[in-house]
Amino acid sequence: DAGVTQSPTHLIKTRGQHVTLRCSPISGHKSVSWYQQVLGQGPQFIFQYYEKEERGRGNFPDRFSARQFPNYSSELNVNALLLGDSALYLCASSLFDRATEAFFGQGTRLTVV
Amino acid sequence: KQEVTQIPAALSVPEGENLVLNCSFTDSAIYNLQWFRQDPGKGLTSLLLIQSSQREQTSGRLNASLDKSSGRSTLYIAASQPGDSATYLCAVRGSGYSTLTFGKGTMLLVSP
Repeated sequence: DAGVTQSPTHLIKTRGQHVTLRCSPISGHKSVSWYQQVLGQGPQFIFQYYEKEERGRGNFPDRFSARQFPNYSSELNVNALLLGDSALYLCASSLFDRATEAFFGQGTRLTVV
Repeated sequence: KQEVTQIPAALSVPEGENLVLNCSFTDSAIYNLQWFRQDPGKGLTSLLLIQSSQREQTSGRLNASLDKSSGRSTLYIAASQPGDSATYLCAVRGSGYSTLTFGKGTMLLVSP
């Protein structure tokens, strides 16, 4: 079975541009969460979706948005990119919305220049 | 607000040593605690999940313990190998929310 897949793996964008990151969860998993990891830090929570509904939002500006589709895949959108948005963006998949093991994808490395 | 601290920040050991990584958290009201491994520039690999009702979990050479009342967990790695070199992250899932709160990790280097 395929694990959590994220696309693209690497991305370079210019300040002010918009970016869309994609995530496909493990088959049968209904919860998808997004995390941002800057160099030398642990991942920081951005969003969680369960059954296509937003279940949690971290302390990120409104430039960040996400959605989950009927097939449980998810998109993370970031508008008006800043240099500080450069990070590894990680998607996590779990069977339910809590108390179950989280499995992460390989991440998308976003560089904003 | 939950805070997770991992000590030490970095650790260098010769191959074959047994070692302990520490994780502490400030709010003991958690659903579970999960240990991950991260290779440079890569995603996270789940190592062990401990539910709040459990005291420990084992997988191969790895053993993780949880003392929820004191807000502590340890990851024990037996007979370390160079392939164990990576950053180890501890994360807790709180009772009020279903998100994971991470520590900054322990960077482990096992030399041959």
